[in-house]
Amino acid sequence: SQQGEEDPQALSIQEGENATMNCSYKTSINNLQWYRQNSGRGLVHLILIRSNEREKHSGRLRVTLDTSKKSSSLLITASRAADTASYFCATERGSRLTFGEGTQLTVNP
Amino acid sequence: ETGVTQSPTHLIKTRGQQVTLRCSSQSGHNTVSWYQQALGQGPQFIFQYYREEENGRGNFPPRFSGLQFPNYSSELNVNALELDDSALYLCASSSLGAGANVLTFGAGSRLTVL
Repeated sequence: SQQGEEDPQALSIQEGENATMNCSYKTSINNLQWYRQNSGRGLVHLILIRSNEREKHSGRLRVTLDTSKKSSSLLITASRAADTASYFCATERGSRLTFGEGTQLTVNP
Repeated sequence: ETGVTQSPTHLIKTRGQQVTLRCSSQSGHNTVSWYQQALGQGPQFIFQYYREEENGRGNFPPRFSGLQFPNYSSELNVNALELDDSALYLCASSSLGAGANVLTFGAGSRLTVL
């Protein structure tokens, strides 16, 4: 089974709204990363949060990490149609990244 | 600085055949990882190569094998193809020893097995 599990599986919002995606994992981690994938293409790294950090920002992205609950969230503020993509969390143990099933985000213009 | 390139982008094979997928790592990266992504699912870790040696393997049978060359390019070989091998195969490079393992992905090779 996947180390990370995203929730919800799919999310549809209007342009300008905020989008929140959640990720839960099972074992201890070194860090957690979020990636984005446009339809059928390669993944692009968005942001990394280390196990000793609780919150991190990058532009319109805000990531939180709660190691006691083994969960993370990705918030995209003021969404745009170009944000439409699948978003994956990935947990790192050793040198291996394990990805979740992803959240499909659709931003309607 | 070049990114990660994969070839071919698409290919069709029949059951029982063999396939080789190729990947050129991003300049400056010393590690390559391969992932299999079935339609609608997340990427599944196949294996990782560091300094031309396998450095970790996921839950894939031995008919999935790989190579990393001195220039850090890589190949993924799959023997005795099965219908379930149909997927997007993603190559990702990174620089181990530089802190966290942040992956730079190629665009993928989409394999269809008939």
